[in-house]
Amino acid sequence: KQEVTQIPAALSVPEGENLVLNCSFTDSAIYNLQWFRQDPGKGLTSLLLIQSSQREQTSGRLNASLDKSSGRSTLYIAASQPGDSATYLCAVNSGTYKYIFGTGTRLKVLA
Amino acid sequence: GAGVSQSPRYKVAKRGQDVALRCDPISGHVSLFWYQQALGQGPEFLTYFQNEAQLDKSGLPSDRFFAERPEGSVSTLKIQRTQQEDSAVYLCASNFNSLGDTQYFGPGTRLTVL
Repeated sequence: KQEVTQIPAALSVPEGENLVLNCSFTDSAIYNLQWFRQDPGKGLTSLLLIQSSQREQTSGRLNASLDKSSGRSTLYIAASQPGDSATYLCAVNSGTYKYIFGTGTRLKVLA
Repeated sequence: GAGVSQSPRYKVAKRGQDVALRCDPISGHVSLFWYQQALGQGPEFLTYFQNEAQLDKSGLPSDRFFAERPEGSVSTLKIQRTQQEDSAVYLCASNFNSLGDTQYFGPGTRLTVL
């Protein structure tokens, strides 16, 4: 059974710092992995989707990497801003319609 | 609207009451998903529809939970005889092709059972 873990659970950084969020999964036979952002009281917004054949994806200040063999993905946020404050969720798809989510990392960027 | 919408956004129920949560997916999206998100946790899969067919309901926690999508568009998640442990945010998502595609999420309904 696929299990997804995210560390740290919470993170507080000053504005401008570069930071890394971690996601690990137990079954390396994945179809893709997705990073979402969740703001309080709102739904999930997809940030980056990495297919199993890819090593990384980039969008603006965000870069997500995938190492399937070790069961790990990282989300790198460059030059963090207060507007980046949110909960970041990692979700794994094993080739079905289901995404298995981690518990998230709550990020706070201090001005 | 352009996105997935859900109503009500907030629902307070007394223990034992029945509730109905509505989801309007993005127009044309074949697949629809319901997730339950407890406080401080990630979303957990409840059930999946392809058009009007409910293909997977393995995540529904008990027989008090029932979901339908009779015309293949709007879906309703019904919870009978609510319990305190049902308190959570219920998220709906949809997409064109269920297999591995990104899912577009609604804002959720926060259910509080007193």
